[in-house]
Amino acid sequence: IQMTQSPSSLAASVGDRVTVTCRASQHINTYLNWYQQKPGKAPNLLIYAASSLQSESPSRFSGSGSGTDFNLTISSLQPGDFATYYCQQSHSSPLTFGGGTKVEIK
Amino acid sequence: QVQLVESGGDLVKPGGSLRLSCVASGFTLSDYYMTWIRQAPGKGLEWVSSISSSGDIIYYADSVKGRFTISTDNANNSLFLHMNSLRTEDTAVYYCAKRQYGDYVGFDYWGQGTLVTVSS
Repeated sequence: IQMTQSPSSLAASVGDRVTVTCRASQHINTYLNWYQQKPGKAPNLLIYAASSLQSESPSRFSGSGSGTDFNLTISSLQPGDFATYYCQQSHSSPLTFGGGTKVEIK
Repeated sequence: QVQLVESGGDLVKPGGSLRLSCVASGFTLSDYYMTWIRQAPGKGLEWVSSISSSGDIIYYADSVKGRFTISTDNANNSLFLHMNSLRTEDTAVYYCAKRQYGDYVGFDYWGQGTLVTVSS
């Protein structure tokens, strides 16, 4: 299953609402997870099962979608949110990740 | 608290071998599905291999099948990745990760990563 993220990068300001999109090449129900990765660090699980907020993830992060189209939304971008975001399907092996979306400071 | 600590990464020549280790603490490894994921320098994440909690279901990415072997040592709460016939394209940071309890879910804990460099 191929996972396609868009955009590959975006520039935004603190306080902006930001949406990242992930599209699966076939139907994956809601078996979709989102991760945040900062430079030199391991990824951190933000959202699982498309819309469930992982414990300790801030409530400004939300996920939506099912089937083939999914979104990660940051309601009000904070300084610590500048990072790269990855989607990952957990529907079937081989597990696959999207190419990543780098969120940069405008 | 849950912690995963990888080790074993090194500089190795093409065709060489390496064994990566991941020591788990704060949970019982044999209760969870465990995975190795890698990231080439400046690139995205690539799933490598997974092993079920019982150890009887194992998956490999096509890119490593026949060359890499995943295993566990439950007595020492450790996960391993045995890597043979290494290629330059295997150069990456390798992470071990624990899957959340249940099916079709995400990876909630990751190690800090260990760097494997394959170069002559």
